[in-house]
Amino acid sequence: NAGVTQTPKFQVLKTGQSMTLQCAQDMNHNSMYWYRQDPGMGLRLIYYSASEGTTDKGEVPNGYNVSRLNKREFSLRLESAAPSQTSVYFCASTDYNEQFFGPGTRLTVL
Amino acid sequence: DAKTTQPPSMDCAEGRAANLPCNHSTISGNEYVYWYRQIHSQGPQYIIHGLKNNETNEMASLIITEDRKSSTLILPHATLRDTAVYYCIVRVGGGSQGNLIFGKGTKLSVKP
Repeated sequence: NAGVTQTPKFQVLKTGQSMTLQCAQDMNHNSMYWYRQDPGMGLRLIYYSASEGTTDKGEVPNGYNVSRLNKREFSLRLESAAPSQTSVYFCASTDYNEQFFGPGTRLTVL
Repeated sequence: DAKTTQPPSMDCAEGRAANLPCNHSTISGNEYVYWYRQIHSQGPQYIIHGLKNNETNEMASLIITEDRKSSTLILPHATLRDTAVYYCIVRVGGGSQGNLIFGKGTKLSVKP
C-alpha cells in the first residue's frame, strides 16, 4: 500500500515550457486534490476532483489544468510555465475525513 | 482566508506536554476542527479532528471549549520528531465538502 505517490520529485522548467505532474493513490478514494505551497506559507488549493469524471477549481486555478484520468490518477498540467509557478506541489486524496498527502513535487521555473 | 488564528511559533522541552492553541471564533455549527502537521518539507499529516467533544487518539488529544470558539492540541510527551508546523483548520466534515484551508500554522520546536 503505497498511499499517494507523485512524480517527478523535482523539476526545473524554463518560462513557457509545459509539463504534467502525475499523482496516483491506491486507497480507492473518491476525492483527490492539488495544492501548492510557497515558501513560509500554508498550502493553497489549486483544483480538486470530488469523484471520477468531475473537477472543480480551488483558490488558485489560473495557469493550471487538471485531468481525473480514472479513480486512481489525478494529473496537473502547466501549459506555459511562469516563474510565479515556482512552488512545491502536493497531491492528496481523502477517505471522508482524513486527507492523505503525497511527498510533493518541487518545481522551479526559470 | 484561514478561519483560524494560531501563534506563529512555540518551544517545548522534550518529554513535556506541548499545548498548541487555536482560535476559531467564527466557526459554524457544522464545521469540525482539524489538526494537521507538516514535518520539514514533507506532505502534511493528519493528526486528529473533532466537532464539540474532546477527542484522543494515539498521537494527541484535542480539547474544544464549550462555546467552540477555541481549541487546544495536546501532544502529551513531545519528542524531537514532533518538531513541525502544526495547522489548525476548520471545515465541514466529509469528503470534498469544505476543502482544507491552510493558514501559516504554528512552528513547534521541541528542544532537548
